[in-house]
Formats: sequence, structure tokens, C-alpha cells
Amino acid sequence: DAGVIQSPRHEVTEMGQEVTLRCKPISGHNSLFWYRQTMMRGLELLIYFNNNVPIDDSGMPEDRFSAKMPNASFSTLKIQPSEPRDSAVYFCASLWGTKPFFGPGTRLTVL
Amino acid sequence: QQQVKQSPQSLIVQKGGISIINCAYENTAFDYFPWYQQFPGKGPALLIAIRPDVSEKKEGRFTISFNKSAKQFSLHIMDSQPGDSATYFCAASILKSGGSNYKLTFGKGTLLTVNP
Repeated sequence: DAGVIQSPRHEVTEMGQEVTLRCKPISGHNSLFWYRQTMMRGLELLIYFNNNVPIDDSGMPEDRFSAKMPNASFSTLKIQPSEPRDSAVYFCASLWGTKPFFGPGTRLTVL
Repeated sequence: QQQVKQSPQSLIVQKGGISIINCAYENTAFDYFPWYQQFPGKGPALLIAIRPDVSEKKEGRFTISFNKSAKQFSLHIMDSQPGDSATYFCAASILKSGGSNYKLTFGKGTLLTVNP
């Protein structure tokens, strides 16, 4: 298994642009998480899905952020419009039992 | 409100020494305490985890010590090696029934450097 796959690995965009981050969880894992990592705030849970259904999105910072999981093998995190303070590394993780597996992350830079 | 406080922020240890990282939590409902290891450019990877029904768990050179009354837990890395140099995160969560749904609250991380 290739593990959790995230794309792109790096994204540089200008303020105001739409950004879409993608995640392919490990096949068979029934829960998926999106985290954001910054130096100041550490790792923050943004949203998690169970069986493709959003269970808790209380960590989503504001309405500019949205996440979808249309099927068990794909999820997206969208930021529209993006702002410089959104610059961070965004991780997707999928879960089997109690053990989450993190993807390699997408480093987002908003200029 | 930070629910999991981790210290120190950074730690330098000589090869062969013991690395100790501490975490304290506030929410007494937490019942699962994992530690993660993260190398530059990679996602966090689960290292070792403990439930509150035991006071210690050891896996190879890595040991978690857990003090429920003090609401503290720590990671000990014995015989630290340069390859252990990474950022370590403690975390805590509430395992729901069935153990398949939970969310982690992470500490801020400790950057460990093991000098050769």
C-alpha cells in the first residue's frame, strides 16, 4: 500500500486565489482527518469524516474553508479566497482502529 | 485553551543519553495518549501509545510513563541515537465506544537533537 497520498506536495498561490488540496486515504480506512500545522499553533484538527460523513468541523477556521469526501477514496480541502495567514502545512490522515496514518502533507504558501 | 501542554520546546542530548519529554493534560476524559515522531518533510508517525489503565509502556528504547493523578505523561528515549533526531508530539484523545472514531489534541512539539 502506498500510504496516504496527498497532492500537491507544494502549492504557492496569491492572496485571493482558490486553493484545493487533495487526499487519497489508505484503502479500507473508514475515518479521515484534515490537520493544519504551523509553528505558532502546532497541529490543529480542522475536520474529520467517518464513513465519508463529516462528523466534526469545529476546527475549520472560517467559511473560507470547506471540505468534502465524495467517496471512501478521495477527499478535498478547499480554501476560497486564500489569505497569507492560511500558509501552513496541511496533513490528511486516515484511520484504522485507533492508529492514524498521516500523509506527507501539502505545504501551502499564500503570497 | 491548550488542553495538552508539552515541554521542553527543544532538547539536545548526546548519543547514548536519555531523552525525556513531558506532557500535561487538563481534560480528565482523555483516555488515549499517543506519541508521534515527525521527520522534516514528513507527516507525523505513531511511535507508541498508552491507555490510563497502566502506568508504563515500553517498546524497545521508547517508554511512556503515565501518572493519572497528576495528569501527566512522558516519553523516555533510552540510548538516544542521532537517527532519533526529530520532532516529537504528545497527544491525547477520547476513544469512543468501538475505538474507531476519535480526534487527537496535540502538544506543540519538542525538537530533539541527538549529537553524535
